[in-house]
Amino acid sequence: DQQVKQNSPSLSVQEGRISILNCDYTNSMFDYFLWYKKYPAEGPTFLISISSIKDKNEDGRFTVFLNKSAKHLSLHIVPSQPGDSAVYFCAASGWETSGSRLTFGEGTQLTVNP
Amino acid sequence: GAVVSQHPSWVICKSGTSVKIECRSLDFQATTMFWYRQFPKQSLMLMATSNEGSKATYEQGVEKDKFLINHASLTLSTLTVTSAHPEDSSFYICSARSEGADTGELFFGEGSRLTVL
Repeated sequence: DQQVKQNSPSLSVQEGRISILNCDYTNSMFDYFLWYKKYPAEGPTFLISISSIKDKNEDGRFTVFLNKSAKHLSLHIVPSQPGDSAVYFCAASGWETSGSRLTFGEGTQLTVNP
Repeated sequence: GAVVSQHPSWVICKSGTSVKIECRSLDFQATTMFWYRQFPKQSLMLMATSNEGSKATYEQGVEKDKFLINHASLTLSTLTVTSAHPEDSSFYICSARSEGADTGELFFGEGSRLTVL
């Protein structure tokens, strides 16, 4: 049972344009969501997070939007840069069920073309 | 930010041997560490939660006798893959949460790639 899903395995955008990565979840007990960036053969690096009490969190070029009613979140990167090319994982956690245990999506490979 | 280090980063072993992977939190104490496994082009799958001074909590379907986890100190957790077989070949990643850190924010190690011949 995949509780966190990233339906797009890959995304390709042009440098300078916006990248939008999507994530859906099914467990209503999740109350904290995170995005991680991962390069091949490396561990994930924390990017940005959002609590369920918010619907938007912004950090520089990265913005995460949360739609609780739709159980959907998205990561916007603008402007996209070639160095952003990596696999992006959406993750979720909930104090009721898991504390710091994260449930990850399958990941989306983002390619930013110069 | 906090640093989590794994060793070795790459290991090749013969089938039937045991392999130990270390996970260290370098600049903070971690009462809880997590071990993940990632297959190619797949999500990170939580294997177990490692608790300092007590037994690890394994996820459903993970063989605890196969994947031995020890968390003897606040800065070190080890994962031992016992009697490794080719199907155990994978990328293993540990993570730790710094006490007092924001909810859910984990710091990940660099990962360890295990290849079993």
